[in-house]
Amino acid sequence: NAGVMQNPRHLVRRRGQEARLRCSPMKGHSHVYWYRQLPEEGLKFMVYLQKENIIDESGMPKERFSAEFPKEGPSILRIQQVVRGDSAAYFCASSPPTSGALNEQFFGPGTRLTVL
Amino acid sequence: SQQGEEDPQALSIQEGENATMNCSYKTSINNLQWYRQNSGRGLVHLILIRSNEREKHSGRLRVTLDTSKKSSSLLITASRAADTASYFCATYSPYSGGGADGLTFGKGTHLIIQP
Repeated sequence: NAGVMQNPRHLVRRRGQEARLRCSPMKGHSHVYWYRQLPEEGLKFMVYLQKENIIDESGMPKERFSAEFPKEGPSILRIQQVVRGDSAAYFCASSPPTSGALNEQFFGPGTRLTVL
Repeated sequence: SQQGEEDPQALSIQEGENATMNCSYKTSINNLQWYRQNSGRGLVHLILIRSNEREKHSGRLRVTLDTSKKSSSLLITASRAADTASYFCATYSPYSGGGADGLTFGKGTHLIIQP
């Protein structure tokens, strides 16, 4: 039973380019969360999605960032026109539909984005 | 201080000793979870304690929760070199509004176990 998969593990972009980060949840999990971790910091919640729905995007920057979780395929976190301040580790987590109020989340290995 | 703030920020002990890390939070929570992160890696879920529980054990881990003080502690007994990592507490507060569906993490405690 594979865990949460993220790719790429490392991504280098120049300022102004687009970054696409992918997350495949654990088998049977229909809830996906994206977090951002700056160096020496804890994780900050960005967005919570279920299949084809954004449930909570209160932690998402208003511009340049978007996320989707289509009916088929992985969840995508998209950052347009990247800036140096976007350099961080981006983690995806998933939880099963039965998790309910416990919200126990299982994390992927992360994508480390470096903006030159 | 922010929700889910760990204390101390860094801890260095000898192998075999016990390590205790603390976490404080501000709002009412549904549960509190502890995670471990090895350098440059993802997070590993260690243990979840619900708001109506006071203590929980898992192997060499012991977690306590005091909702009256809004604090939790993680105890690792008989530490090993492989326990060297950063440890984060994360709270789940579905009633707090604003990012209610995500976990709120602290900055972590960096634990170093010296052989």
